[in-house]
Amino acid sequence: ILNVEQSPQSLHVQEGDSTNFTCSFPSSNFYALHWYRWETAKSPEALFVMTLNGDEKKKGRISATLNTKEGYSYLYIKGSQPEDSATYLCAFRSGGGADGLTFGKGTHLIIQP
Amino acid sequence: KAGVTQTPRYLIKTRGQQVTLSCSPISGHRSVSWYQQTPGQGLQFLFEYFSETQRNKGNFPGRFSGRQFSNSRSEMNVSTLELGDSALYLCASSLVQTEAFFGQGTRLTVV
Repeated sequence: ILNVEQSPQSLHVQEGDSTNFTCSFPSSNFYALHWYRWETAKSPEALFVMTLNGDEKKKGRISATLNTKEGYSYLYIKGSQPEDSATYLCAFRSGGGADGLTFGKGTHLIIQP
Repeated sequence: KAGVTQTPRYLIKTRGQQVTLSCSPISGHRSVSWYQQTPGQGLQFLFEYFSETQRNKGNFPGRFSGRQFSNSRSEMNVSTLELGDSALYLCASSLVQTEAFFGQGTRLTVV
């Protein structure tokens, strides 16, 4: 059973502050690492799909880095806004892509005005 | 372009019954995956279908099954429902192993 860990479990951040959280995954048999944002009453929405060690991706104020050798990815949010409040999920795919996505339990982010 | 559609949105069933959930993927997406989310748990992978074939299966009992039709629509079935099957069931479609696009989910309550 693959183990994908996310930390912290929850996070309160003041509006305007920057923040980051971590996803840890097995460093062997890596294929891809996904990040999703899940807002209440909505569907999970893809943020990034990362496949190469050292990958850095950016979408607006949100960016992510990937280290496949040590098995971790960071998600950064710059200048947090209330609309960033959501649960952020990472998901690991191994097995040459043949396996399903294994999700972490998520980081629940609350932005306080 | 229409998103992933899951029906029904809400469902209440009695223990011992069976249930079928439906998922219509985004047009052109041939890969459909199913996930279960229960309180305190992350999304748990159930199975993935591609071109009507099950590519892989998560660690769930045989009471959970699925299929995919030639138009890529997918159904999942749970037989002999147990209270612990109460959960949000999410379906996601994708092009091959790219980002997944999720539906709104079916909230199943077993009483």
